[in-house]
Amino acid sequence: GAVVSQHPSWVICKSGTSVKIECRSLDFQATTMFWYRQFPKQSLMLMATSNEGSKATYEQGVEKDKFLINHASLTLSTLTVTSAHPEDSSFYICSARRGDGSPSDTEAFFGQGTRLTVV
Amino acid sequence: GQNIDQPTEMTATEGAIVQINCTYQTSGFNGLFWYQQHAGEAPTFLSYNVLDGLEEKGRFSSFLSRSKGYSYLLLKELQMKDSASYLCAAMDSNYQLIWGAGTKLIIKP
Repeated sequence: GAVVSQHPSWVICKSGTSVKIECRSLDFQATTMFWYRQFPKQSLMLMATSNEGSKATYEQGVEKDKFLINHASLTLSTLTVTSAHPEDSSFYICSARRGDGSPSDTEAFFGQGTRLTVV
Repeated sequence: GQNIDQPTEMTATEGAIVQINCTYQTSGFNGLFWYQQHAGEAPTFLSYNVLDGLEEKGRFSSFLSRSKGYSYLLLKELQMKDSASYLCAAMDSNYQLIWGAGTKLIIKP
């Protein structure tokens, strides 16, 4: 159990266009979802934390208007990279946490990641 | 501030044992995680420690000392497929994960 599916796995888009990445918890309800980006040979950088039904909390330095996060249901969160530029090319990873107080509640389950290339 | 330190890279021989250390400083503490990440893939969960001591899970074991802000991941009977980055992450009082930069483990035949 505890599977998180992220789609697409990779995407190439033109500079100036927008890209939407979906993160779904397949067999559990995720109260909290996290969005990370990772540059080559670097660790995960938390971009934002989203709780179902409320606005996402963005980390310092992350542009809210550029990286739109929607967590409309307990099984789906989306990250939209608006007006993408080559510097936005990165590996984007989501993770989800149950938030139900169960023994595995503290564990974050990761999606497969999305490799975004902006040309 | 909050900080996680772990070595950048380690090299070990197939069949041997390797210990990857991690020290942490966080605002509050709700556990220490170890993840394995192969190149181009998302991290996969290895272990979670919230109490002091050693947790053994097959070839992998993880140790925690809260008083020292220290953890290690021990990998036994190394296999070539264990070549990966190993990420240490501490959970703070707000249940946020603070990530280390990862330790790249290179396994040689």
